[in-house]
Amino acid sequence: GAGVSQTPSNKVTEKGKYVELRCDPISGHTALYWYRQSLGQGPEFLIYFQGTGAADDSGLPNDRFFAVRPEGSVSTLKIQRTERGDSAVYLCASSPQDSFEAFFGQGTRLTVV
Amino acid sequence: SQQGEEDPQALSIQEGENATMNCSYKTSINNLQWYRQNSGRGLVHLILIRSNEREKHSGRLRVTLDTSKKSSSLLITASRAADTASYFCATDSQRNNDMRFGAGTRLTVKP
Repeated sequence: GAGVSQTPSNKVTEKGKYVELRCDPISGHTALYWYRQSLGQGPEFLIYFQGTGAADDSGLPNDRFFAVRPEGSVSTLKIQRTERGDSAVYLCASSPQDSFEAFFGQGTRLTVV
Repeated sequence: SQQGEEDPQALSIQEGENATMNCSYKTSINNLQWYRQNSGRGLVHLILIRSNEREKHSGRLRVTLDTSKKSSSLLITASRAADTASYFCATDSQRNNDMRFGAGTRLTVKP
């Protein structure tokens, strides 16, 4: 069985560009989380989905960040007008309905130059 | 925002010794989990302890939870060089079901 898949694994973009990061959760998992992690830091919470809806988006740093999960499976994190400070590893995790154990993908390393 | 804080930030021990890491958190929780992260990127779930539990074991891991002090500890016994990694605690609060992490403890086990 496949785990959580994140694509691309690496993304280099120019300042001001738009990027999309994709997360394919484990099939059947209802909860999906996005985090970002800078070097030497812990994962910083961004947004949490239960099914199709964002149950908590309080971690999104500003309105340049947006995430969707239209069919309750795949999720896309969208960042507009990227800034150098957005450079980090973006992690996605999913968990089944009856468990809080989260399964993480390998992350997307975003570098804004 | 971060919820938990791990202590110490870094820990270096010899193989065979025990390693203890602590986690403190701020709000009432439903569950507390410990995760491990190697120098790659993915985090791996180690153990979950519920708010009504005080201690839990899994192999060489022992986790305790003190809800009155809002703290937890992770003990790794008979450490191995392969245990070298960063360890994070994560909590889901009673207010939100989302999961928040601390800054982690970087453990180095010297062979």
